[in-house]
Amino acid sequence: KAGVTQTPRYLIKTRGQQVTLSCSPISGHRSVSWYQQTPGQGLQFLFEYFSETQRNKGNFPGRFSGRQFSNSRSEMNVSTLELGDSALYLCASSLRQSGQGNSPLHFGNGTRLTVT
Amino acid sequence: GQQVMQIPQYQHVQEGEDFTTYCNSSTTLSNIQWYKQRPGGHPVFLIQLVKSGEVKKQKRLTFQFGEAKKNSSLHITATQTTDVGTYFCAGTIQGAQKLVFGQGTRLTINP
Repeated sequence: KAGVTQTPRYLIKTRGQQVTLSCSPISGHRSVSWYQQTPGQGLQFLFEYFSETQRNKGNFPGRFSGRQFSNSRSEMNVSTLELGDSALYLCASSLRQSGQGNSPLHFGNGTRLTVT
Repeated sequence: GQQVMQIPQYQHVQEGEDFTTYCNSSTTLSNIQWYKQRPGGHPVFLIQLVKSGEVKKQKRLTFQFGEAKKNSSLHITATQTTDVGTYFCAGTIQGAQKLVFGQGTRLTINP
């Protein structure tokens, strides 16, 4: 079974631009969560999608948005990029929605975004 | 807000020494998961604990879930260089549909 696939692996953008990251979950997984990881900051939860609906949202500004398609693939968009948005963005898929049963997260390799 | 606190943030040990990381929540957890992230890699699921007082072992790793389901620990016996990485706990807050990650403990090992 193929794992979680994130594209692109690396991205360099300029302040003010916008970016879209993509995540393909493991086949059969309907939940997709997004996390931001910066050195020393752990995993900061962005949002979770299940069956095309946002189920949970972290404490990030509205510049961060996402969506999920009917095939469970998900995209994350960041508009008006700031230097502080430079980070590793991780996507994770699971069988069930967070909190609904005991379903571990399967992470992708991440997209490393650099904002200059 | 609801948080899961993890300590220590960093731990450096000599190869062969033991290592323990602790996870504490102010509220009761439905379950707790542990993940390992190798340097340059992504978090990989290790184990999940569900029952009060549960203890599970994976070779040199021992995972415990507290009786009150508010704390958990991961203990590694006789560390090896392959144990290097950051260990995260993640708890599901009881009654909330949310998985909350601890800040992680970064383990480095002197060979």
